Amino acid sequence: NAGVMQNPRHLVRRRGQEARLRCSPMKGHSHVYWYRQLPEEGLKFMVYLQKENIIDESGMPKERFSAEFPKEGPSILRIQQVVRGDSAAYFCASSFGSRAGYEQYFGPGTRLTVT
Amino acid sequence: AQRVTQPEKLLSVFKGAPVELKCNYSYSGSPELFWYVQYSRQRLQLLLRHISRESIKGFTADLNKGETSFHLKKPFAQEEDSAMYYCALSGRLSSYKLIFGSGTRLLVRP
Repeated sequence: NAGVMQNPRHLVRRRGQEARLRCSPMKGHSHVYWYRQLPEEGLKFMVYLQKENIIDESGMPKERFSAEFPKEGPSILRIQQVVRGDSAAYFCASSFGSRAGYEQYFGPGTRLTVT
Repeated sequence: AQRVTQPEKLLSVFKGAPVELKCNYSYSGSPELFWYVQYSRQRLQLLLRHISRESIKGFTADLNKGETSFHLKKPFAQEEDSAMYYCALSGRLSSYKLIFGSGTRLLVRP
């Protein structure tokens, strides 16, 4: 089991462009979470998805950010019209279930730099 | 407000010395507490959780509800313990939502 996969590992975008971050969960996991880490800060929860459903997006900025987890393929975190403040490391995690006791396994992260 | 505070950005000790990584939390209710570790060039991984009451790699952490703390301890540090350590909590209702502290870098010198 290769673990949670994220790509790209590094992404550079100019202000105003779109960023697409991909996450493939561990085999057998149907719960996906996205976290954002700004410099010198801890990871902050953004969104929780199951296949084809957004369960909790309370940590997502209201504008420009969206996430999906289609029936087939990876989960996508999409940031439209990126700004410098979007520069951060974005981590994806997956789990077998969502209740307490189910461990979240993290991917290596995507480091987004907005120039 | 729900918050996890790790007051030290960097903790440097010599090999064989005791280690204590501090973690304080603010949460209305009964949270679950975790310690995550990220070794150099590796992924973030779960080290231990308070409900398990385990000792992992010689590390232990006791939940002190009175002081709202969950400090991570090891009696004798090893060089391979050098890593970034994050304390985190989750609530009972939304147990999937992890709230992380800003992390402490532990450096164990030979």
